[in-house]
Amino acid sequence: SQKIEQNSEALNIQEGKTATLTCNYTNYSPAYLQWYRQDPGRGPVFLLLIRENEKEKRKERLKVTFDTTLKQSLFHITASQPADSATYLCALENYGGSQGNLIFGKGTKLSVKP
Amino acid sequence: DTEVTQTPKHLVMGMTNKKSLKCEQHMGHRAMYWYKQKAKKPPELMFVYSYEKLSINESVPSRFSPECPNSSLLNLHLHALQPEDSALYLCASSQAGLGSTEAFFGQGTRLTVV
Repeated sequence: SQKIEQNSEALNIQEGKTATLTCNYTNYSPAYLQWYRQDPGRGPVFLLLIRENEKEKRKERLKVTFDTTLKQSLFHITASQPADSATYLCALENYGGSQGNLIFGKGTKLSVKP
Repeated sequence: DTEVTQTPKHLVMGMTNKKSLKCEQHMGHRAMYWYKQKAKKPPELMFVYSYEKLSINESVPSRFSPECPNSSLLNLHLHALQPEDSALYLCASSQAGLGSTEAFFGQGTRLTVV
């Protein structure tokens, strides 16, 4: 069955450093991969979408890579700030879904210390 | 308007009660979703509506009954729930064909079943 893993449940870093979060998947050949941010008690907020033919995508301080050979995506936040503290979820389209729906990894809780 | 509005924000209900969760969007999205999220877990898909028709039901118990009265509204009717149904219920919408486009999530309804 399809499986999405975010290896780190939690990541603690110092302000100003680069945070790198990992998302691995198995039994999958996704055409797209998405990253969301979720704050406690709130709905996820879309950050970035990367397609299988894109190696890298950037948005301000965010960068996502997508390696279909390794079946892995890396999510980077450069010059991290305490306001970046949140849970970050990777998501893939459910394989075979006729309409398409997202399944999520368990998330990585990022804490950025001042 | 890029918002998905969910009401109520919080709901406490007894196991014999009947209540409804409501979701509204005015982005012209023709796909709408209900997700359930337990504490420290990722969102899990419950239902997908595409062009106001139910297209996916992820084996959800019949005590949860979705309804899509029109393209802007999505309801979730609740009846005879169990305490283990307590969770954050998230509504989302997207252009049809989720996976290739971003999903917009509401703030969720925090449901407590007593």
